[in-house]
Amino acid sequence: DAGITQSPRHKVTETGTPVTLRCHQTENHRYMYWYRQDPGHGLRLIHYSYGVKDTDKGEVSDGYSVSRSKTEDFLLTLESATSSQTSVYFCAISEGRVQPQHFGDGTRLSIL
Amino acid sequence: RKEVEQDPGPFNVPEGATVAFNCTYSNSASQSFFWYRQDCRKEPKLLMSVYSSGNEDGRFTAQLNRASQYISLLIRDSKLSDSATYLCVVNEGNTDKLIFGTGTRLQVFP
Repeated sequence: DAGITQSPRHKVTETGTPVTLRCHQTENHRYMYWYRQDPGHGLRLIHYSYGVKDTDKGEVSDGYSVSRSKTEDFLLTLESATSSQTSVYFCAISEGRVQPQHFGDGTRLSIL
Repeated sequence: RKEVEQDPGPFNVPEGATVAFNCTYSNSASQSFFWYRQDCRKEPKLLMSVYSSGNEDGRFTAQLNRASQYISLLIRDSKLSDSATYLCVVNEGNTDKLIFGTGTRLQVFP
């Protein structure tokens, strides 16, 4: 399995609090991605990164920000969490553009 | 029309059966195609890439039909362990982004 670690694996928090999810990879891949998965919607891209400090928005980026200061770490931040952001969040990595992506185990986030 | 569409199923088949899933995509500029499987409450895992000439990996065969803009996955001699959701994945035109279908659920019974 690809060396991808997501933390935390589970989190419950309250509306209005900030939340940061971490994705750590040991594969030295250039591309990293954050997705959310909800019933009926499949996987939707939030943000992605194509290098250190290089990021771009996905289709559901509102309410989320990201940072990548090192090749191995990609952080997803919810500045002020809302109940609509309750979801399962997956990090993925790939060697290059439109190459197969490999996923972390996911983070189950509940916003009450 | 959704960018990537799949029949959600479920497909309920007995062990040993052959089952096929189709997936249609809307952007004719798409160039990269994949099938992933996802077990309940787990992460998606790459099953196979789909090449223009079609490709096979053991009991699994993937086909691409550019004219009709669909890809297919054929599973022969189904096993209980094949029970999962199968995700069709297509790149968004000429961009770096992959679009995931919502998946087709397969249940193999004894």
